[in-house]
Amino acid sequence: NAGVTQTPKFQVLKTGQSMTLQCAQDMNHEYMSWYRQDPGMGLRLIHYSVGAGITDQGEVPNGYNVSRSTTEDFPLRLLSAAPSQTSVYFCASSPDPGTSGGGTQYFGPGTRLTVL
Amino acid sequence: AQSVTQPDIHITVSEGASLELRCNYSYGATPYLFWYVQSPGQGLQLLLKYFSGDTLVQGIKGFEAEFKRSQSSFNLRKPSVHWSDAAEYFCAVARTNAGKSTFGDGTTLTVKP
Repeated sequence: NAGVTQTPKFQVLKTGQSMTLQCAQDMNHEYMSWYRQDPGMGLRLIHYSVGAGITDQGEVPNGYNVSRSTTEDFPLRLLSAAPSQTSVYFCASSPDPGTSGGGTQYFGPGTRLTVL
Repeated sequence: AQSVTQPDIHITVSEGASLELRCNYSYGATPYLFWYVQSPGQGLQLLLKYFSGDTLVQGIKGFEAEFKRSQSSFNLRKPSVHWSDAAEYFCAVARTNAGKSTFGDGTTLTVKP
């Protein structure tokens, strides 16, 4: 299993540009999340999904969109990039809460985004 | 809303010494508690988790943590630190085990030879 994969690993954008950060998992997990990590801070939840077709906002959703058309994929879209969105973005997936692994989040390697 | 406080931003210990990383949480009911480790340039990896039952939980890489409800704490311990333990450690809390957590700001561990 590849686990959770994220592309690209690095990205530089200009203010106002849009882009999509890709996230895929091959563990058949229903739950997926996007976090951002800024220096000296922990991870903050951007958006969350409990299954295909179901998404919800997290702590810092402004400026980001998500959709979940399949169990495997959970892309994060930046609509109009701003310097405040310079960060490292992590995608995570989690098994069904009813299983022994429920609650454990499996993280991708991250995407380092710089907005100029 | 739940919150997590990791009081120590940076800790330095000598190799072979014992380690304790502090974590305090704020949540009205019994939370789901986690410790994750992040090596430089990597994603997070679960060290251990507490959902219920025995308040002393064992994790990977020789780590353990103790849930103390009266102190709202979930401190991470290791009896003898190895140089490879140098990393950033995050405590996290969740209301359910549905994979959506609130993270502390992290503690960076440096290991002296």
